[in-house]
Amino acid sequence: AQTVTQSQPEMSVQEAETVTLSCTYDTSESNYYLFWYKQPPSRQMILVIRQEAYKQQNATENRFSVNFQKAAKSFSLKISDSQLGDTAMYFCAFMKQTYSGGGADGLTFGKGTHLIIQP
Amino acid sequence: DAMVIQNPRYQVTQFGKPVTLSCSQTLNHNVMYWYQQKSSQAPKLLFHYYDKDFNNEADTPDNFQSRRPNTSFCFLDIRSPGLGDAAMYLCATSPRRGAHNEQFFGPGTRLTVL
Repeated sequence: AQTVTQSQPEMSVQEAETVTLSCTYDTSESNYYLFWYKQPPSRQMILVIRQEAYKQQNATENRFSVNFQKAAKSFSLKISDSQLGDTAMYFCAFMKQTYSGGGADGLTFGKGTHLIIQP
Repeated sequence: DAMVIQNPRYQVTQFGKPVTLSCSQTLNHNVMYWYQQKSSQAPKLLFHYYDKDFNNEADTPDNFQSRRPNTSFCFLDIRSPGLGDAAMYLCATSPRRGAHNEQFFGPGTRLTVL
């Protein structure tokens, strides 16, 4: 079984600052994906960014980027030029890759980091 | 807009009284998931469907059941809710198997057990 750990229950930064959210995971799988999901207050969870374990290059999506350290099993999220709309719960998640004929396992989530962007 | 819809958004039930939560999707996705998210805890997978194929997590209590009568709808039945079942229940869909396929979440149903 895999585990995902987010050690920062809450973070607060000023608008326009850069913030990094931490995530570590443990797995014996060799082929998997890692994700960051955002859950705004009273709204649905949406995908922010994902990383395939086999890809060495860190994923980026506009202001969002990850620092994927496979050997250390670390997967942090960096938000640059933070905006008020970035205020949300952020969940780090793991999913092992399956192929045709295998099961479709769900996501294993961390407990989340509540990020507050102050004006 | 294509989306994942959960009804109701808030559900109150009494201890031991059966309750059903519903999820519908207009995305025509093959895979549907149910997650339980208790306060200050990580969302936890309860079960999922790949098409009509039901997959139960090993530690999901027998008190929880699911039905998927067609591609668009999926139901979560709690036969005898206990106080410990109070949580946010999230439905998610994905077009196909595989971690490379994004999961799309509904807004959740918050269940209160009195």
